[in-house]
Amino acid sequence: DTAVSQTPKYLVTQMGNDKSIKCEQNLGHDTMYWYKQDSKKFLKIMFSYNNKELIINETVPNRFSPKSPDKAHLNLHINSLELGDSAVYFCASSQDSGAGGYTFGSGTRLTVV
Amino acid sequence: AQRVTQPEKLLSVFKGAPVELKCNYSYSGSPELFWYVQYSRQRLQLLLRHISRESIKGFTADLNKGETSFHLKKPFAQEEDSAMYYCAPKGGANNLFFGTGTRLTVIP
Repeated sequence: DTAVSQTPKYLVTQMGNDKSIKCEQNLGHDTMYWYKQDSKKFLKIMFSYNNKELIINETVPNRFSPKSPDKAHLNLHINSLELGDSAVYFCASSQDSGAGGYTFGSGTRLTVV
Repeated sequence: AQRVTQPEKLLSVFKGAPVELKCNYSYSGSPELFWYVQYSRQRLQLLLRHISRESIKGFTADLNKGETSFHLKKPFAQEEDSAMYYCAPKGGANNLFFGTGTRLTVIP
């Protein structure tokens, strides 16, 4: 059983479109995250979500919005996609403070053309 | 604000040679530090936590508060160790902040 699963694995779309990436974790973790990995392999946190508290990295454009229907899901919705949004997006989850580390999904490679 | 520096973007060593991936951090308070590894086309995986003082796959990392370092070491590199390695301190709001990563290549 996959602990943190993301769909789709690959997403190719045109500029200006709106798309969503789904994430689900079956670990019973309290907190979920979205990270962006760019072409240089830099990893940056975008959001964390815990008990309905959303913490946003202030550098993330407001075209990006996380949506959490329940504790096990944190989806990422992106409006008006731009070329610079092309990256690999990783979902992750952790229990409580994350002292035990994070569990990552396998990533979604988004290509905007 | 917390910062983490991995000075080497690329590191190549021969199989069987010792390897050290450097990580320096600046952090106010007591840091929690992790090493994550990403093998080719795979997800990020937790490798080590400084609080557990464990050895995973032959890797160890010691938190040196005096030097503010958390270098990752292995005495004898193996080909399967080739991967991207990220040093990550846990920052405010319990979020992990990743260093820029070091790509380790072990030459057969």
